[in-house]
Amino acid sequence: QKEVEQNSGPLSVPEGAIASLNCTYSDRGSQSFFWYRQYSGKSPELIMFIYSNGDKEDGRFTAQLNKASQYVSLLIRDSQPSDSATYLCAVNWAGGYNKLIFGAGTRLAVHP
Amino acid sequence: ETGVTQSPTHLIKTRGQQVTLRCSSQSGHNTVSWYQQALGQGPQFIFQYYREEENGRGNFPPRFSGLQFPNYSSELNVNALELDDSALYLCASSPGQGASNSPLHFGNGTRLTVT
Repeated sequence: QKEVEQNSGPLSVPEGAIASLNCTYSDRGSQSFFWYRQYSGKSPELIMFIYSNGDKEDGRFTAQLNKASQYVSLLIRDSQPSDSATYLCAVNWAGGYNKLIFGAGTRLAVHP
Repeated sequence: ETGVTQSPTHLIKTRGQQVTLRCSSQSGHNTVSWYQQALGQGPQFIFQYYREEENGRGNFPPRFSGLQFPNYSSELNVNALELDDSALYLCASSPGQGASNSPLHFGNGTRLTVT
């Protein structure tokens, strides 16, 4: 059974702080990892993807991947109230082309 | 370059009815994937179409079926609707099997309510 686990939250952080979102996955053969942001009532929006161990930075976002520990994280620096949303971690099936397994998401609340 | 478009935006159906959802893929993309997202859950993979053939299916019953057309647009059909089919249905397109994994971008989704 391929699984992706996330804490449901809510994760509450003050404006300007760093938000840290975590995800673990069960399929050791997975090679591609994605973070989506989803506002209430909207479809998921891709914000980061990472394929290699280590860190990948894009603006205020940093994705971190540790394949040995089967762990992916997303850091959001200088959090803004507009970052308040549900963050979905997704992992590509090992050997599957663009077939993603999603976690249930972590709800982030950034308060002024 | 237009992205993925889905129609309709919202739909209300009665239990037992049938529904068809539509998806137009991004230009140049020959692979379409469908996902179901129930309230409070992450999206779940329904199936994928590549060059008009089903290319992988998730844990969904046969009453969920699909089509892909020569222009790579796609339909998702659900027969004998059940209350639990109420969800946001998401479509995403991608360049195809020959390309390396490219991140999926979803359309705006179709919100289906079954009463």
